[in-house]
Amino acid sequence: DGGITQSPKYLFRKEGQNVTLSCEQNLNHDAMYWYRQDPGQGLRLIYYSQIVNDFQKGDIAEGYSVSREKKESFPLTVTSAQKNPTAFYLCASSIAASGVYNEQFFGPGTRLTVL
Amino acid sequence: GDSVTQMEGPVTLSEEAFLTINCTYTATGYPSLFWYVQYPGEGLQLLLKATKADDKGSNKGFEATYRKETTSFHLEKGSVQVSDSAVYFCATRTDAGGTSYGKLTFGQGTILTVHP
Repeated sequence: DGGITQSPKYLFRKEGQNVTLSCEQNLNHDAMYWYRQDPGQGLRLIYYSQIVNDFQKGDIAEGYSVSREKKESFPLTVTSAQKNPTAFYLCASSIAASGVYNEQFFGPGTRLTVL
Repeated sequence: GDSVTQMEGPVTLSEEAFLTINCTYTATGYPSLFWYVQYPGEGLQLLLKATKADDKGSNKGFEATYRKETTSFHLEKGSVQVSDSAVYFCATRTDAGGTSYGKLTFGQGTILTVHP
């Protein structure tokens, strides 16, 4: 079955540690996205990538980093510079980032808690 | 940039009740409009969409009509079920044209709980 997988489902981090969240898709989509979800708020875009080896900052990129070395993978690193990292993180992908093919499909999410 | 305002929640209904979740937006240009649903502990799923004025999106008994004159995209369902309990997000997307990224802008979400 085609889809988007995120791992782990739950992640605990100590303050001051970097942590990497995995996102993999086998939909052959060019574009991938990372969002952050906080209670009572909509999703906010962290980073997006329109194609392999390219990515752009979203609205709240500070304290995060990404890479896009393979089409199917778009890992997100939450660094120690992120002041309030406890949140639910969602990865998404679409055929393309623009035009009629940019309908986004979402993964199941990773819940990150800083201890 | 675009902004989306959703009806404050949470919304609690009895099974078979009528549902309305209000959504209004501000946008430059001509956005596409979406409703996403998030079941507990899961990611978002696209519920329905409309891409131009007066279009009606529908799916699983849910409907929403793109009203350009009132900049609204209210979600409705005639008879809700317990299984409809979830968080519902309204979203807009304005395409900049060409290969520019069309950003999705989300409302804050509305929690719906349906009791038997």
